[in-house]
Amino acid sequence: AQSVTQLDSHVSVSEGTPVLLRCNYSSSYSPSLFWYVQHPNKGLQLLLKYTSAATLVKGINGFEAEFKKSETSFHLTKPSAHMSDAAEYFCVVRGMANQGGKLIFGQGTELSVKP
Amino acid sequence: NAGVTQTPKFRVLKTGQSMTLLCAQDMNHEYMYWYRQDPGMGLRLIHYSVGEGTTAKGEVPDGYNVSRLKKQNFLLGLESAAPSQTSVYFCASSSGSWSPGAYEQYFGPGTRLTVT
Repeated sequence: AQSVTQLDSHVSVSEGTPVLLRCNYSSSYSPSLFWYVQHPNKGLQLLLKYTSAATLVKGINGFEAEFKKSETSFHLTKPSAHMSDAAEYFCVVRGMANQGGKLIFGQGTELSVKP
Repeated sequence: NAGVTQTPKFRVLKTGQSMTLLCAQDMNHEYMYWYRQDPGMGLRLIHYSVGEGTTAKGEVPDGYNVSRLKKQNFLLGLESAAPSQTSVYFCASSSGSWSPGAYEQYFGPGTRLTVT
């Protein structure tokens, strides 16, 4: 069965410093992986998705993630945090066809950005 | 092109009352989903549909029913609301394509439900 584990429930950084949000996955086959962001009282927005075409995936707003099969990880990074990056981030894996392709969410990581 | 819309945005119910949440998508997607979001638990799948006239249970289906009479609409019903159903509900849709690069779920803005 597929699952994802987000290793930090809360991460705090200063504006202008790098961001690292960690995610490990478990999958019995080559996974489809995603990062979504949710700003306070808002819906979910897709940041990026792993398509198996490239292990380094670039997303919106300067975020990127690297798929590492040997480490079963899909960590999200950004070189320089901005105040507007403060939000909750979800690492997500797609379920199997017999599950309707449902998305399986991690518990979320809340990112705080200090001025 | 509105994407995925949800009605209503907010609702307060008393225990035992019933209500229906409406999800509509204008992208001609085959697959639709209902999730609930609770603090510290991410989103969990309630029910889903892989096409008009079909529905299936997700992880947390108890206390909910769904219907997909039209391809563009997916309704979530609570027959007898309980305080444990206080949550934020999200609807999503996708084309159902299994091509890795093509797959994406599009989410609605959410419905905040409080059951007192």
